[in-house]
Amino acid sequence: DAGVIQSPRHEVTEMGQEVTLRCKPISGHNSLFWYRQTMMRGLELLIYFNNNVPIDDSGMPEDRFSAKMPNASFSTLKIQPSEPRDSAVYFCASTERTSGRHEQFFGPGTRLTVL
Amino acid sequence: GDSVTQMEGPVTLSEEAFLTINCTYTATGYPSLFWYVQYPGEGLQLLLKATKADDKGSNKGFEATYRKETTSFHLEKGSVQVSDSAVYFCALSTILTGGGNKLTFGTGTQLKVEL
Repeated sequence: DAGVIQSPRHEVTEMGQEVTLRCKPISGHNSLFWYRQTMMRGLELLIYFNNNVPIDDSGMPEDRFSAKMPNASFSTLKIQPSEPRDSAVYFCASTERTSGRHEQFFGPGTRLTVL
Repeated sequence: GDSVTQMEGPVTLSEEAFLTINCTYTATGYPSLFWYVQYPGEGLQLLLKATKADDKGSNKGFEATYRKETTSFHLEKGSVQVSDSAVYFCALSTILTGGGNKLTFGTGTQLKVEL
């Protein structure tokens, strides 16, 4: 099993540019999560999908952030326009069940730097 | 709402010392409890979990017992190694309206083990 795959692993961009982060969950998992990790705020849940449908996007910081999950094997997180304060490590995670007893599997993360 | 409180770090220990990282939680219902570990430059990975009161999760010499009466899930290891140096996150699962669940994480505790 390849695990959760994220791309790119590192992204450096200039303020105002559009950034797209990609995630492929583990095959068969029906829930997908996007997190952001910074020194200041720790690990924050941005949005959560269940069976490709966004269930909870209350953590999305602003309208500049959007996420999609067009099918069970792919999700994107887009920031447009990007700002320096968006610099963080973004993690995608997936889980097989919705009972709460099953672990979330995390990807390696995308380190985003906005100059 | 649900929350997790864990001791602030960094925690610095000598190799073979005993480790305790405290974690307490506030939640409605009966959440599952987790400890995740994050090694430098990597995503989070599950260390151990417990799904009901009095359960003990264990892995790689680490242990934690789900204590409902004290709402705690303290992480312990009898003899730490340099390779245990990482950030440790306590988390609980929350059932979401609309289906599925999410994890509520503590702020993380950095552990440094020295020779």
